[in-house]
Amino acid sequence: EVQLVESGGGLVQPGRSLKLSCAASGFTFSDYYMAWVRQAPTKGLEWVASISYDGGSTYYRDSVKGRFTISRDNAKSSLYLQMDSLRSEDTATYYCTTGAAPYWFAYWGQGTLVTVSS
Amino acid sequence: DIQMTQSPASLSASLGETVTIECRASEDIYNGLAWYQQKPGKSPQLLIYNANSLHTGVPSRFSGSGSGTQYSLKINSLQSEDVASYFCQQYYNYPYTFGAGTKLELK
Repeated sequence: EVQLVESGGGLVQPGRSLKLSCAASGFTFSDYYMAWVRQAPTKGLEWVASISYDGGSTYYRDSVKGRFTISRDNAKSSLYLQMDSLRSEDTATYYCTTGAAPYWFAYWGQGTLVTVSS
Repeated sequence: DIQMTQSPASLSASLGETVTIECRASEDIYNGLAWYQQKPGKSPQLLIYNANSLHTGVPSRFSGSGSGTQYSLKINSLQSEDVASYFCQQYYNYPYTFGAGTKLELK
């Protein structure tokens, strides 16, 4: 059974950093693109970033480019999101997600809440 | 960026009814479209990919159709467990973009 378990969320002040982690199990991690999708409270879904099988290619939405870094450790079956210079508009539940192809998201974690506030 | 315009924003329907949700892309996305269901307090669940392919384990009352810029999700014979929000997503180009969502309630 595919499992994705996020951790690392919490309350952080604007301008500070936070690193999210996602522990994957139940599938061959290195065979899957991985992604982070976020959802602000009571809002819709927003794709944040994706990373290729070996981490050689990464993709970001414009609003996080230069501030967020997606990475992976295939030996540990883990996905990460380093978030720097956080803003109030980054407040959201962050989901770790993947699928059989790099395009749609068949598997989702339970999400971890990031609150950016002073 | 490709904009996804989803309609309606909310929908009220009766048990057993057929419901249709629409998504319009700002440019041709060549069937690069997925549909998700999200129940309150839960993570999204994939329903449809490639515009019309049913994801494993999804009931056959859900179906997707469309091409070019216009796509739709149809739910036949609405069940109580279908009460949820529904989102479309295009993956033809980065950045991947989602529709704003449709909240489906029972009448």
